[in-house]
Parts: sequence; structure tokens; C-alpha cells
Amino acid sequence: DGGITQSPKYLFRKEGQNVTLSCEQNLNHDAMYWYRQDPGQGLRLIYYSQIVNDFQKGDIAEGYSVSREKKESFPLTVTSAQKNPTAFYLCASSRPGDEQFFGPGTRLTVL
Amino acid sequence: GQQLNQSPQSMFIQEGEDVSMNCTSSSIFNTWLWYKQDPGEGPVLLIALYKAGELTSNGRLTAQFGTTRKDSFLNISASIPSDVGIYFCAGRNYGGSQGNLIFGKGTKLSVKP
Repeated sequence: DGGITQSPKYLFRKEGQNVTLSCEQNLNHDAMYWYRQDPGQGLRLIYYSQIVNDFQKGDIAEGYSVSREKKESFPLTVTSAQKNPTAFYLCASSRPGDEQFFGPGTRLTVL
Repeated sequence: GQQLNQSPQSMFIQEGEDVSMNCTSSSIFNTWLWYKQDPGEGPVLLIALYKAGELTSNGRLTAQFGTTRKDSFLNISASIPSDVGIYFCAGRNYGGSQGNLIFGKGTKLSVKP
């Protein structure tokens, strides 16, 4: 089945640690996106990538980093510089300019 | 960043009732999308709209692309308990960041059996 997978589903991190969230898609989509969701808020764009080996900052990129070495994969690293990292993180993919399809999400909690 | 105004913020309705929610923007959009999110899951696309005035249905759901291109509406008829969740609108303005989506803050729907 084609789709988007995110792992892990739940992630706990100690303050000061970096952590990497995985996102993989087998939909052959060129574009991939990372969003952050906080309670009662809409989705805020962290980073996006329209093509392999290229990515751009979204609205809230500070404290995050990404890479796009393969078309299928777009991992997100939450660094220690992110002051309030506890949130629900969603990955999405699309054909350029087309509807975005979302993964199941990763809930990150900082202890 | 730019945001959409989505209302209402939350709704508590009785099973069988109809539901209406809407999104408005200060700028013109070329695409409107409606997603539903179940608790702890990713949003799922319900309806996509591409043309001003377009009216599209998906089962009990009907969405419209406003004629001003600055708003969109979602209606759910004869609600059932599994309609519970958060509904998000999203719009795309090609004058913005390479056509990225802009999301509303969501409408949380609760249905009493």
C-alpha cells in the first residue's frame, strides 16, 4: 500500500538532547513537508522540500534542521536550540502544487 | 505567517443534526482543501476545491469555494458519532511561498448520541 509513515509514534527526550523524527513516503511525491501542531492551533510549517537535495525554511524553522538525500525520506531533527519542542509533529507529501497527504504523526515530549 | 479565520472554534451537537463551518481569508486563494483529524492521528483530506463557486460533495459532506475566492464552507448533514474530530480548512495562494498551504486553526466537533 502506498502511504506516508512516521516513526516513532511517541518520543520522549531529555532537555538538551537532539532528536530525529523519521518520515518516509512511497507515493513517488517530489514535495515533502514538516508541520508542528500545538493544542488548539492550526498546522505551522517548519521546513519543506520541493526536490531532492533542496529544502526551504517555513514559518517556524528556528531550532530545527532537515535533510533530503533521498526522494522517499525527509527526516526532521529537533535540536536543543528549540526552546519549546513538546508538540505533535506531522509530515506530509505531495506532487508539486497538489493536495498534501499526511502521515500519522509523532508526539514528542520533553521531560 | 498568514492564517485563515476558521469558525466556529468548537461545536457540540446532537446526533442527526446538520453542521456548518467556514473559513475566510484576507487574500484570494486558488485552492481550498478540507481535512479531518481524528485524535492522535494525521489529517485526512475530505474535499478539494479548485474553482470559484464550485460545490463538491463527498457522501454527507458538501463544501463550497466562495465566489469571492476568499472563503469556503463545509457542511455535514445528519451527523453521526464518527464525525467527531477536528476539521481544518487549508488554502493555497500562488502569490505566497511557492504555493504552500495555509491552515485554519480548526473546528472541533463533538457529537452527542
